[in-house]
Amino acid sequence: GAGVSQSPRYKVAKRGQDVALRCDPISGHVSLFWYQQALGQGPEFLTYFQNEAQLDKSGLPSDRFFAERPEGSVSTLKIQRTQQEDSAVYLCASSSRPGIRDTQYFGPGTRLTVL
Amino acid sequence: GNSVTQMEGPVTLSEEAFLTINCTYTATGYPSLFWYVQYPGEGLQLLLKATKADDKGSNKGFEATYRKETTSFHLEKGSVQVSDSAVYFCAPQGQGAQKLVFGQGTRLTINP
Repeated sequence: GAGVSQSPRYKVAKRGQDVALRCDPISGHVSLFWYQQALGQGPEFLTYFQNEAQLDKSGLPSDRFFAERPEGSVSTLKIQRTQQEDSAVYLCASSSRPGIRDTQYFGPGTRLTVL
Repeated sequence: GNSVTQMEGPVTLSEEAFLTINCTYTATGYPSLFWYVQYPGEGLQLLLKATKADDKGSNKGFEATYRKETTSFHLEKGSVQVSDSAVYFCAPQGQGAQKLVFGQGTRLTINP
């Protein structure tokens, strides 16, 4: 079956622009996660959804970062007024069952470069 | 909060060598423990996991044992292959939590 897909795969933005990154989780997966991976580092947690509810947004680095999952399926991560330090790979992951520490399946990521 | 310390890389070995990548963690309660792998040009994939103390996760010849007394989850393989060249991430998932906490990754290169 289809895995987690993300679009675009690459995004170049000028400093100050707004960007929107899309994640399509595995069909039927209840839990959805966003992570940020800086070059040469491990992924860092940004936010977590269970269906449409955003249950944990403790990892969002500033109020310029906003995520939504309005119908409990596709999710969008929006970054306003991008800064150079936002350059990273943004990873989306989904898992099937809430409340149980299930395997997270990762998408290929969106590489964001802010000039 | 939870944290993880992973063996620094890069690690370079010859084919058929024995591999150990160390991972220690701090976490409250009883975390689940994961190893993820990132092959060149690909996304993160689950390699193996263990969900309780003394469990051994295994896959593709790799093994790791959940050692609560030493808070460790070291990755081992008896005979590595060139195709094992990748970046390996250790990641605990805290009890009652959903998010994974990743180490900085260990880049492994296997030479023929």
